[in-house]
Amino acid sequence: GQQLNQSPQSMFIQEGEDVSMNCTSSSIFNTWLWYKQDPGEGPVLLIALYKAGELTSNGRLTAQFGITRKDSFLNISASIPSDVGIYFCAGLGGAQKLVFGQGTRLTINP
Amino acid sequence: GAVVSQHPSRVICKSGTSVKIECRSLDFQATTMFWYRQFPKQSLMLMATSNEGSKATYEQGVEKDKFLINHASLTLSTLTVTSAHPEDSSFYICSATKSGNTIYFGEGSWLTVV
Repeated sequence: GQQLNQSPQSMFIQEGEDVSMNCTSSSIFNTWLWYKQDPGEGPVLLIALYKAGELTSNGRLTAQFGITRKDSFLNISASIPSDVGIYFCAGLGGAQKLVFGQGTRLTINP
Repeated sequence: GAVVSQHPSRVICKSGTSVKIECRSLDFQATTMFWYRQFPKQSLMLMATSNEGSKATYEQGVEKDKFLINHASLTLSTLTVTSAHPEDSSFYICSATKSGNTIYFGEGSWLTVV
């Protein structure tokens, strides 16, 4: 089946630093989505990417849909404490099913 | 604000009993909703696709007789965990597609079976 490899699995950074995480897939997706999940809550959509090569920003967040449609990255600039959480990439496959990456746990030291 | 809502957010039930979790799309109609389960420190795993007016489609390894899904209207899907056991304790999350390929998730429901 389809799988997404997300890295890194965890990150420990200082407040103010930039963050970068990425996902790669063994197969093509037509839509990539990035979510953030806080403990005990459902995932919240951060950025949606619909076209290969698309670069989209949402505040301090920037994500790109790879040209090959098999990868995507998410950057967070000037991290702040509320950025702490788990970030998931997801590819939208057949029958509207989402395939999730393993998640990147972000920890920020003040 | 939230576009997909789940209820209850937390539920504790005794082993052997059944518990129902609701998923509602708040300002749009969703012919398809999805149910996921998430164990601690793991990613979301798709359990089933809920189709309005027809039977749900279950992923491999998910017992359809144990996890009953009813999508009775365009804004409501329910997941009933029947004869719950402690190993069913998990975080259950639903999602719905609002427009195009934008997928929103509910707040999730914590199930604890004691």
